[in-house]
Amino acid sequence: DGGITQSPKYLFRKEGQNVTLSCEQNLNHDAMYWYRQDPGQGLRLIYYSQIVNDFQKGDIAEGYSVSREKKESFPLTVTSAQKNPTAFYLCASSIALQAGGQTQYFGPGTRLLVL
Amino acid sequence: AQSVTQLDSQVPVFEEAPVELRCNYSSSVSVYLFWYVQYPNQGLQLLLKYLSGSTLVKGINGFEAEFNKSQTSFHLRKPSVHISDTAEYFCAVRGNAGNMLTFGGGTRLMVKP
Repeated sequence: DGGITQSPKYLFRKEGQNVTLSCEQNLNHDAMYWYRQDPGQGLRLIYYSQIVNDFQKGDIAEGYSVSREKKESFPLTVTSAQKNPTAFYLCASSIALQAGGQTQYFGPGTRLLVL
Repeated sequence: AQSVTQLDSQVPVFEEAPVELRCNYSSSVSVYLFWYVQYPNQGLQLLLKYLSGSTLVKGINGFEAEFNKSQTSFHLRKPSVHISDTAEYFCAVRGNAGNMLTFGGGTRLMVKP
């Protein structure tokens, strides 16, 4: 059963703590993305990666970091520098642009709450 | 740069009534257009997409959308809604120069019995 998994479903962060959100896909997609969703707002792009070992900042990258060591995995770390991290985080993937990768497929999301 | 405007933040409608969710975009290049649906506390599910060809696109769950290039619109329609259609709907656009999606702010469809 192919798809995108995100874990955990809920995550709690204490002040000054870094937390990491997991995103794994078994769709053999080259490109992966992280979005942030706030209540009543659309999705905003945090980071994206078109290929392993390469990633680019999106519109709101400050306070976040990513890595792309494996094709299947694209973890997102919310650092202590992100002062307002409470949001719903969505991971997505697509095939490579040059292969016609217009459509992004989304995972179930992780809700991050600050204690 | 491109942008997407969903003109209605909430649309209340009675069950079995028709519905139209409006989406307008601005872009200086050719675009690909998408509608996604999000149920509470879940990820986004692709409803339909326009890449090229026929301007009337049919999707899942009985939804369809029409691409109107002159009006720069991609409105979503369903002739008869069900309670289960209650969800948030997002319109998104992607220019042909990159793989980045730009999302609208979303429209909450509330179907009442």
